[in-house]
Amino acid sequence: EAQVTQNPRYLITVTGKKLTVTCSQNMNHEYMSWYRQDPGLGLRQIYYSMNVEVTDKGDVPEGYKVSRKEKRNFPLILESPSPNQTSLYFCASSLVAGPGNTQYFGPGTRLTVL
Amino acid sequence: GQQLNQSPQSMFIREGEDVSMNCTSSSIFNTWLWYKQDPGEGPVLLIALYKAGELTSNGRLTAQFGITRKDSFLNISASIPSDVGIYFCAGPQWYGGSQGNLIFGKGTKLSVKP
Repeated sequence: EAQVTQNPRYLITVTGKKLTVTCSQNMNHEYMSWYRQDPGLGLRQIYYSMNVEVTDKGDVPEGYKVSRKEKRNFPLILESPSPNQTSLYFCASSLVAGPGNTQYFGPGTRLTVL
Repeated sequence: GQQLNQSPQSMFIREGEDVSMNCTSSSIFNTWLWYKQDPGEGPVLLIALYKAGELTSNGRLTAQFGITRKDSFLNISASIPSDVGIYFCAGPQWYGGSQGNLIFGKGTKLSVKP
């Protein structure tokens, strides 16, 4: 089944403890992206990747890192999480770069930073 | 940066009614996308628009790319209970020729009229 998977789905952590949220797609998509969703603010793009080894900042990249060493995986790294990073995170992918291509979203990761 | 303003923020629907919502920006967009998000899920692409004036349908949904390229409209005809959810408009920002950065409106939440 074609899908985008994220792990973990739920995570509660404490300020300053490094964490990684994994994202994997099995559709051989070139384009992958991370968003955060907060009440009243909609979805905001954190980072995106046009292809392997190519990543760019979105609208809210501060406090986040990403890597794209292989096509299928696009992990989101929080080196020193803070409470303002408590949010619902979505990973998405599409066949090629270009927003008109159907973006498939993962199920979301709800992160709470205490 | 560019922003997308959606209205209304929320609305109630009664089965069988037609629903309209819109998305505006102070900047020109070359692509307009409409997504729907069901509770607990990631957004799903409904309609993509690529040309000013374009009118595109997907079942009971119809979306239009405004002539000024600064707005878009989504209409749902004969609404049914499963239409409830949050509808987002989205479009690509352009940074130095890259269109990978996607921005979203804050969403229009559809609920069933009590």
